[in-house]
Amino acid sequence: KQEVTQIPAALSVPEGENLVLNCSFTDSAIYNLQWFRQDPGKGLTSLLLIQSSQREQTSGRLNASLDKSSGRSTLYIAASQPGDSATYLCAADLNTNAGKSTFGDGTTLTVKP
Amino acid sequence: EADIYQTPRYLVIGTGKKITLECSQTMGHDKMYWYQQDPGMELHLIHYSYGVNSTEKGDLSSESTVSRIRTEHFPLTLESARPSHTSQYLCASSESSGGASTDTQYFGPGTRLTVL
Repeated sequence: KQEVTQIPAALSVPEGENLVLNCSFTDSAIYNLQWFRQDPGKGLTSLLLIQSSQREQTSGRLNASLDKSSGRSTLYIAASQPGDSATYLCAADLNTNAGKSTFGDGTTLTVKP
Repeated sequence: EADIYQTPRYLVIGTGKKITLECSQTMGHDKMYWYQQDPGMELHLIHYSYGVNSTEKGDLSSESTVSRIRTEHFPLTLESARPSHTSQYLCASSESSGGASTDTQYFGPGTRLTVL
């Protein structure tokens, strides 16, 4: 059974800092890994999707990497801003036909002005 | 721009009532999902569908049922609501195959259900 773990559970940084959120998964036979953002009381917003054949994806100040052999993914946020404050979740799809994502329990990020 | 809608956004209801949570998407996606999330806890998949007339149970056991009569519509029903059903329910959809952007899941705003 795929298990996804995110560390740390909570993180507080001053504005402008670069930071890394970690995600680990137990079954390396994943189809893709996706990072989401969730604001309080709202649905999830997809940030980045990394296919199993890819090593990383970038969007603006965000960079996500994937290392299947070690069962790890990281989300790097450059020059953090207060608007980045949210909960970040990673989700691993075991294979495309199952279509089932296993989610981590998230990292709650607070960026202080 | 993702177009996936959930109604109602908030629902407070008494024990024993039958409720249906609506989810609709206008993107023509084949795959749709229902997740349950308690405050501060991780998301759990409770139902998913590969297409019309296809429904499967997810990883978390749920007393709810779903139907997929139309591609765009994936309602979730609780025949008899109980306080233990109090939670947030998130609906999502994704394309079925092909292309770098497929399998990206688009989420609705969620329904926050409270059963008294």
